Amino acid sequence: EGQLLESGGGLVRPGGSHRLSCGASGFSFSNYAMSWVRQAPGKGLEWVSGISRSGSVIYYEDSVKGRFTISRDNSKNTLSLQMDSLRPEDTAVYYCARLSDFVIGYGANWFDPWGQGTLVSVSS
Amino acid sequence: SYVLTQSPSVSVAPGQTAEISCGGDKIGTKTVHWYRQKPGQAPVVVIYNDHDRPSGIPDRFSASNSGTTATLTITRVEPGDEADYYCHVWDSDSNHQVFGGGTKLTVL
Repeated sequence: EGQLLESGGGLVRPGGSHRLSCGASGFSFSNYAMSWVRQAPGKGLEWVSGISRSGSVIYYEDSVKGRFTISRDNSKNTLSLQMDSLRPEDTAVYYCARLSDFVIGYGANWFDPWGQGTLVSVSS
Repeated sequence: SYVLTQSPSVSVAPGQTAEISCGGDKIGTKTVHWYRQKPGQAPVVVIYNDHDRPSGIPDRFSASNSGTTATLTITRVEPGDEADYYCHVWDSDSNHQVFGGGTKLTVL
């Protein structure tokens, strides 16, 4: 079924940078598209970014485009999110989630499983 | 950008039926997925592709999607069903995954 484990959360100053990682196990990582989804404290889910299995197709939510970079290393079964120019409104639990297919960009593609999440706090 | 609208809260007594709606422009032409999130836990898919249930999700969970509204229905509600529920679609116009704002299901 597969498991995902995020790491790298912490406290960051506004304007700073931070990198999150997500390790995958129990499934063939290179066969699936992946995404980051975040949840601000007490708020709902917000999609952040997605990447196809090869890394050739990448999409970003508008508020993070140009500041965040998603990447993957299929040889290490790892998904990453480089976050630059962080803002207080980026404070959230960041979840790594697997899509049900190897491509992104179509509707019949849901998130399963999800990692347990890692908290990023942006504050001075 | 595409917007999914969910009622903030729904309350039902145990044993009754809960209906959680998700509204969006022509949502019936999109494929909807539903997630359940209990406090302090990651979301879990309960319905995918409009009406399919993953293994392990009881048949008390069902869903429909037509016109401008998708609906998640939970029959014979149990205290353990208390959670936040989110709908999700892919918006091909913006190339964005989109979540509804979530509905908190309270079991009275």
